[in-house]
Amino acid sequence: AQTVTQSQPEMSVQEAETVTLSCTYDTSENNYYLFWYKQPPSRQMILVIRQEAYKQQNATENRFSVNFQKAAKSFSLKISDSQLGDTAMYFCVLDSNYQLIWGAGTKLIIKP
Amino acid sequence: NAGVTQTPKFQVLKTGQSMTLQCAQDMNHNSMYWYRQDPGMGLRLIYYSASEGTTDKGEVPNGYNVSRLNKREFSLRLESAAPSQTSVYFCASRTNRPTNYGYTFGSGTRLTVV
Repeated sequence: AQTVTQSQPEMSVQEAETVTLSCTYDTSENNYYLFWYKQPPSRQMILVIRQEAYKQQNATENRFSVNFQKAAKSFSLKISDSQLGDTAMYFCVLDSNYQLIWGAGTKLIIKP
Repeated sequence: NAGVTQTPKFQVLKTGQSMTLQCAQDMNHNSMYWYRQDPGMGLRLIYYSASEGTTDKGEVPNGYNVSRLNKREFSLRLESAAPSQTSVYFCASRTNRPTNYGYTFGSGTRLTVV
């Protein structure tokens, strides 16, 4: 069975600090995508960053970057210069054969 | 604005009542999905439609039915609502374009069954 595990239920950091959210996954597939989605209190599900498994280069989107370790099946998200608007639930998601497997989420709180 | 539109945003039902959640996308995507999100959890797949005219069960299909009305619209029906179906429901569509592969989600429907 394919699984996604987020071991940090909740994290909090000061504004402007850097924070890393952890994610491990398990799949027997060789081709897949990994995503980080952000869900603020508004409930909207927002794509933060995407990683294709066959690409060795780690994806980056402005202040957001990932550390993708395919052999270790690890996919962590780093948020640099954190902002108050980054406060949200963050979900690590595995897309394998067009089926999304979701982690339980990490609640991230950015303190002023 | 292009995207996925869900209606209604909130709904309260009595046990045994029926209702249909509507979803429409204007991005010309082939694949559409219905998920539910329970407190403290990620999303779980109820049903999906890989293309117009096809639907398949996901992880938690019991108590639900779906209709892919056309390429744009994918509805979810609860025939006889139960308190266990209290949840937030998300519709999503997926693009296959390699340069922009991913899923777009609607804003969700908060359903309470009393």
